[in-house]
Amino acid sequence: DTEVTQTPKHLVMGMTNKKSLKCEQHMGHRAMYWYKQKAKKPPELMFVYSYEKLSINESVPSRFSPECPNSSLLNLHLHALQPEDSALYLCASTPGLDTEAFFGQGTRLTVV
Amino acid sequence: ILNVEQSPQSLHVQEGDSTNFTCSFPSSNFYALHWYRWETAKSPEALFVMTLNGDEKKKGRISATLNTKEGYSYLYIKGSQPEDSATYLCAPPPPGTALIFGKGTTLSVSS
Repeated sequence: DTEVTQTPKHLVMGMTNKKSLKCEQHMGHRAMYWYKQKAKKPPELMFVYSYEKLSINESVPSRFSPECPNSSLLNLHLHALQPEDSALYLCASTPGLDTEAFFGQGTRLTVV
Repeated sequence: ILNVEQSPQSLHVQEGDSTNFTCSFPSSNFYALHWYRWETAKSPEALFVMTLNGDEKKKGRISATLNTKEGYSYLYIKGSQPEDSATYLCAPPPPGTALIFGKGTTLSVSS
């Protein structure tokens, strides 16, 4: 199994809603990432979890809250988002920085 | 902030042309260099990961070289095809950091 699975594929939420994005991998990778990708720009790093601990937070607003319940699962909890947060949210995992990263297909988020 | 530069920003070639582009990065504290192919609204797809100075890797018509002493990597595409149209991203993560991509080179191949 060389897949990173993200759910849901699409999500529309209001600015007062609370929702969560889910990412799962069963490759035994100990580093998992959240990226945000807007328009025609490359993915921007948001968070990195290494061995289930948050190792990097790229100054992301607190309305985005990551969680890593176990080594296979990564969540991104969303609360009080703004329309400008609408984007494709990508999850990735890797065994280490010297090996390729595997990306999920992303969740297309629309905030209304 | 990691200083990664990719050039050119974009280029347009005809089918059958060969082309190449550059990723420049700080040569100090080098650990690995990643190349990814990315189409808008899709996930990046790994092409190569290189770690050793002088590394050269090849996948079909695409190849890459690495010079860690001077801080650059070249990506070559031989005989470009329309399906090669995409943005090519590089990322040179220093130890203890993460994959942060450059702005990419967007290639457009006309038939």
